[in-house]
Amino acid sequence: NAGVTQTPKFQVLKTGQSMTLQCAQDMNHEYMSWYRQDPGMGLRLIHYSVGAGITDQGEVPNGYNVSRSTTEDFPLRLLSAAPSQTSVYFCASRIRSYRTATNEKLFFGSGTQLSVL
Amino acid sequence: GENVEQHPSTLSVQEGDSAVIKCTYSDSASNYFPWYKQELGKRPQLIIDIRSNVGEKKDQRIAVTLNKTAKHFSLHITETQPEDSAVYFCAATYSGGGADGLTFGKGTHLIIQP
Repeated sequence: NAGVTQTPKFQVLKTGQSMTLQCAQDMNHEYMSWYRQDPGMGLRLIHYSVGAGITDQGEVPNGYNVSRSTTEDFPLRLLSAAPSQTSVYFCASRIRSYRTATNEKLFFGSGTQLSVL
Repeated sequence: GENVEQHPSTLSVQEGDSAVIKCTYSDSASNYFPWYKQELGKRPQLIIDIRSNVGEKKDQRIAVTLNKTAKHFSLHITETQPEDSAVYFCAATYSGGGADGLTFGKGTHLIIQP
């Protein structure tokens, strides 16, 4: 298994441009999420999904859109990039059981370093 | 929502000494508390976790303790080694309910001095 794959690894955008960060997992995980990591701020949840067709907002959702058309893919869209969105973005997935809280380990992708000028 | 405070932000210890990182959480409903380690330029990886029905858990040189009454939990690393140098994040969530998503602390940069 490749695990969680993120592309691209690095990206530079100009203010106002749009782009999509790709995330795919091959572990048949129901739960997928996007975090951003900023110095001194830890990891903050942007959006998450508990299954195909279901998405919800996290702590810092403004300026980002997500969709979950398949179990494997969970792209993150920046609609109109702003310098405040300069960050490292991590996609993460895990098994999610509706019956029991088992196997909560999050598997992270390798991250995308995004700079908005 | 949940709020997780983590201290200290930076911790420097001599190789071989012990290191302790502390976290507090605000939501008494939280019942799952993992710790993630992130080496420089790498992705975060789970190193240990604890559930609210357990007070302490050990795995070789690392241990986590939980005090539900005080709403705080701690990571203990004994006999520190150079490879322990990294940023450590605590997190909390209510596992098994309708809401999802870990709330992370802001991280502790652990520096192991030779």
